[in-house]
Amino acid sequence: GAVVSQHPSWVICKSGTSVKIECRSLDFQATTMFWYRQFPKQSLMLMATSNEGSKATYEQGVEKDKFLINHASLTLSTLTVTSAHPEDSSFYICSAPPSGVVYEQYFGPGTRLTVT
Amino acid sequence: AQSVTQLGSHVSVSEGALVLLRCNYSSSVPPYLFWYVQYPNQGLQLLLKYTTGATLVKGINGFEAEFKKSETSFHLTKPSAHMSDAAEYFCAVSDYQAGTALIFGKGTTLSVSS
Repeated sequence: GAVVSQHPSWVICKSGTSVKIECRSLDFQATTMFWYRQFPKQSLMLMATSNEGSKATYEQGVEKDKFLINHASLTLSTLTVTSAHPEDSSFYICSAPPSGVVYEQYFGPGTRLTVT
Repeated sequence: AQSVTQLGSHVSVSEGALVLLRCNYSSSVPPYLFWYVQYPNQGLQLLLKYTTGATLVKGINGFEAEFKKSETSFHLTKPSAHMSDAAEYFCAVSDYQAGTALIFGKGTTLSVSS
């Protein structure tokens, strides 16, 4: 089946620094990718929709200047958490549906971000 | 707007007992429905999905779910629980549009005791 990878799987950064998380579709192309955030013991909340070649669409309440999304190619989307603070510590998960496939969506393994 | 409600944030069963995890959805269009399982510090694994056709859907690890439009439900069942089934389970909904993000329920933690 289709595989989505994320890198890094775990990152610790100091407050005020920026960190980049990569999401790659390894064996299929994805014009759209999704970024979710999951706090401990909670569900996944959609943060933004990443569109190849255009601006990302952010959900209400998500700061677009803080969570920068770049979908540079059909297989790569990046999420950069700028000026990270401890409250940004969370589990970030991306997903991607193969282009043109109605309902298949594949999830990455997630990235654990800890801001100290 | 679509939404998903999972009844019971925590379900406990004994090994060998029936597993029933409840999910109700709200959607203005015919939905696609999904069940995912998540183990600690891991991503999501698809258990099963309903798109069209047969309303009883069989998935991996012996799980199955039945789409009941009249009840707007998509409950997940397994006849006999195994210790390895202990995990977090999420029900999710999507509409027909290609590439639409999933809307997740709050999740149900399944505990299995010996």
